[in-house]
Amino acid sequence: DVKVTQSSRYLVKRTGEKVFLECVQDMDHENMFWYRQDPGLGLRLIYFSYDVKMKEKGDIPEGYSVSREKKERFSLILESASTNQTSMYLCASSLWVGNTEAFFGQGTRLTVV
Amino acid sequence: AQKVTQAQTEISVVEKEDVTLDCVYETRDTTYYLFWYKQPPSGELVFLIRRNSFDEQNEISGRYSWNFQKSTSSFNFTITASQVVDSAVYFCALSEEGRGGSQGNLIFGKGTKLSVKP
Repeated sequence: DVKVTQSSRYLVKRTGEKVFLECVQDMDHENMFWYRQDPGLGLRLIYFSYDVKMKEKGDIPEGYSVSREKKERFSLILESASTNQTSMYLCASSLWVGNTEAFFGQGTRLTVV
Repeated sequence: AQKVTQAQTEISVVEKEDVTLDCVYETRDTTYYLFWYKQPPSGELVFLIRRNSFDEQNEISGRYSWNFQKSTSSFNFTITASQVVDSAVYFCALSEEGRGGSQGNLIFGKGTKLSVKP
């Protein structure tokens, strides 16, 4: 069964902290994505990666960075967390970009206080 | 530019009613893909269907059916005889053939929250 696993369901962090959100997929997919979901705004792409050590900015990369050292793992990093980064974060992976479906993790609800 | 519009923010129905979720898309490409995802209260997006731009055949899967019409750039989703377990947020999404960069990534609509009451 296809699986994308995010390391935490809920996180509470303080303003200014460095935050790591981890995502692992077991499907040998080339592509991995990080989305942010906010009420009324839907899902917005933060960063994506189409290969190990490769990354590209999505629609809202400011305040975030990513790391992909191994094919199965894609990390989202908040260098200095701020309250406006309180959100639901969703990781996804897909075999190809465009013509195949993406599989999503269960989401991490991050609260920055 | 690509865009997906789900005009219905929230829909509430009573169990056993039929309900249609609307999705209108914009793209300049001739090759593109349309998707529907379901997000139950647990949070994980679940893939429901993919359609490519060359296949306008409607699809039925149990109580679910999809109507793809290129003439109106719409990809609507109908649930027949709705059930409480259908309560979720439903997302329509669009992608173009991947050519590198951000092309080929999924563009989501803002979602429609469906509440099915017993």
